[in-house]
Parts: sequence; structure tokens; C-alpha cells
Amino acid sequence: DAGITQSPRHKVTETGTPVTLRCHQTENHRYMYWYRQDPGHGLRLIHYSYGVKDTDKGEVSDGYSVSRSKTEDFLLTLESATSSQTSVYFCAINPGLVPDEQFFGPGTRLTVL
Amino acid sequence: GENVEQHPSTLSVQEGDSAVIKCTYSDSASNYFPWYKQELGKRPQLIIDIRSNVGEKKDQRIAVTLNKTAKHFSLHITETQPEDSAVYFCAASYNTDKLIFGTGTRLQVFP
Repeated sequence: DAGITQSPRHKVTETGTPVTLRCHQTENHRYMYWYRQDPGHGLRLIHYSYGVKDTDKGEVSDGYSVSRSKTEDFLLTLESATSSQTSVYFCAINPGLVPDEQFFGPGTRLTVL
Repeated sequence: GENVEQHPSTLSVQEGDSAVIKCTYSDSASNYFPWYKQELGKRPQLIIDIRSNVGEKKDQRIAVTLNKTAKHFSLHITETQPEDSAVYFCAASYNTDKLIFGTGTRLQVFP
């Protein structure tokens, strides 16, 4: 499973609270991604990183921020959670062995009440 | 930007029959097209992919075809089995390091 873990795996929180999700990888991969998965929308890219402190926005970045202070960790923060951010969040990595190829972490199910 | 459309959204087949899922993309610069399988409650798993310099690729019972002129690509599963039941996602690359995903196809294989 490409050495990717996500924490927490499940979280229930209330509207307006900050939430941070963690993606951890053990293989020193350069590229890391955060997606959200919702019924009828497939997987949509939130933010991605191409190295330490190098991040960029994806197609649904509003309301989310990310940080990558070390290669192995990519953090996704919801500054003030809203019910529309209830979703399953997947982290992915690109090992770089084959361009574009991505492998996913186990996911985090987030519920915002 | 890139846009990927996927059809059908649901597909039911009898065990042993073939299943075909189709995707179209909008950006002619896209050059990498992976397919993912996602079982209930699990992560998406890469099952096969194709690059724009290849027209067809096979791996046992699954195959992917690409028509660059028409900008569409398809997943073919032959001799379907109940364990093939899952949601399948297509994707297309853009800007070399990102993927845009289709909305998924729920495949049900009935014994």
C-alpha cells in the first residue's frame, strides 16, 4: 500500500471548529495530494505538494489549507469546518517511478455536524 | 482545464459476461489515463493505465483502449466475476503531475 497512512481514520466534529488531517508516508516520495470523495463527484483534488514547503491549489481548495514542513507529512487543515466539508478524504502519493501514477492512502471519514 | 466524463454511472452484468466503461476527456494534451477500482469502504486501487503513445493495453481479463482522435478511452472486463463488483473510476492527467477523475461507475456482477 505504498507506505501511506492517514490519521485520524474517522472524525466527527462540529461546525466552526478547526480540523487537521494528517497524511504520512515512509518512502520519501516527492509528490503528495489531498482529494475529497463525494457521491456523484468522484475524486476531486483539494491541494497538492511537489516538495517540502512547495504546495499548490487543486480544483476545490476553498476552505482548506495545507502544510508540508517535512517530506513524510502532508497536513490538510479545515480552518472552520462546515457541513459541506463532510466527506471522505484521501491522500495520495506519486512515487515518481512512473510519471503521473498515483497511489492512495486508506482515507479519513470526516463528519461535520 | 481538463474535464472527464464517465458512462454509465451504473452497470449490471451477469457473471461471465463482458463489461465496458467509457470515458471522454477534453484536453488533447492529456497523455496518461489510469483506471482505479474501489471496493466498498476501501481506497481506490490502480488496476491498469495507458499512455497516449499506446492504443491498447491488456492485463489478464482487463483491457483499456484509447482513441486520441476522439478523445475517449474505455475499460473492458471480460469473463466478469462477482469479485469484479466495485466502483470504477477513470482519470486523465493534466499539467503532467495532476489527475482529473471521472464520476465513477458502479459495476454489479450477478452470479
